[in-house]
Amino acid sequence: GAVVSQHPSWVICKSGTSVKIECRSLDFQATTMFWYRQFPKQSLMLMATSNEGSKATYEQGVEKDKFLINHASLTLSTLTVTSAHPEDSSFYICSAGRTSGTNTGELFFGEGSRLTVL
Amino acid sequence: GESVGLHLPTLSVQEGDNSIINCAYSNSASDYFIWYKQESGKGPQFIIDIRSNMDKRQGQRVTVLLNKTVKHLSLQIAATQPGDSAVYFCAENRDTGTASKLTFGTGTRLQVTL
Repeated sequence: GAVVSQHPSWVICKSGTSVKIECRSLDFQATTMFWYRQFPKQSLMLMATSNEGSKATYEQGVEKDKFLINHASLTLSTLTVTSAHPEDSSFYICSAGRTSGTNTGELFFGEGSRLTVL
Repeated sequence: GESVGLHLPTLSVQEGDNSIINCAYSNSASDYFIWYKQESGKGPQFIIDIRSNMDKRQGQRVTVLLNKTVKHLSLQIAATQPGDSAVYFCAENRDTGTASKLTFGTGTRLQVTL
């Protein structure tokens, strides 16, 4: 099956620094990728939709200047947490859909990236 | 407001028994539903999906039932095994025509006891 890879799988950083998380579709092209955030024992909350070649679409309440998303190619989207603070510590998960034009179904999730801000 | 929610946060089942995990959704416009399994520290894993023009869909050991009248979705796991222990999420698609934007439910933790 299709594979979506996230890197790093975990990262620890100091407060005030920026952290970049990569999401790659390894064997298919993804026009659209999605970034989710998950706190312990909670559900996945959609943060933003990453569109190849255009600006990301952010969900209400998500600071676009805080969470920078870049989707420069059909196989890579990056999420940068800028000036990270302890409250940004979370599990960040990306998903990618095929460029098949079909609605949903062909959606694959990465293994997640755990961010801990000290 | 609109939501996708679950009735039971934790379900404990004996090995070999059948498991039923429930989910309620509020948006009657949703036309696609997916069940995911998430093990600790990992991303969601697709289990089974169903479209709104269907009431039932079966996979290997799993069955999803959709009751559009009461906006209810369930996941049935037959002969539950220890490896089924995980958190299960239902998700719905509300944006028809938009690829893959999903809203997740709150999740149910399935604990399989020996």
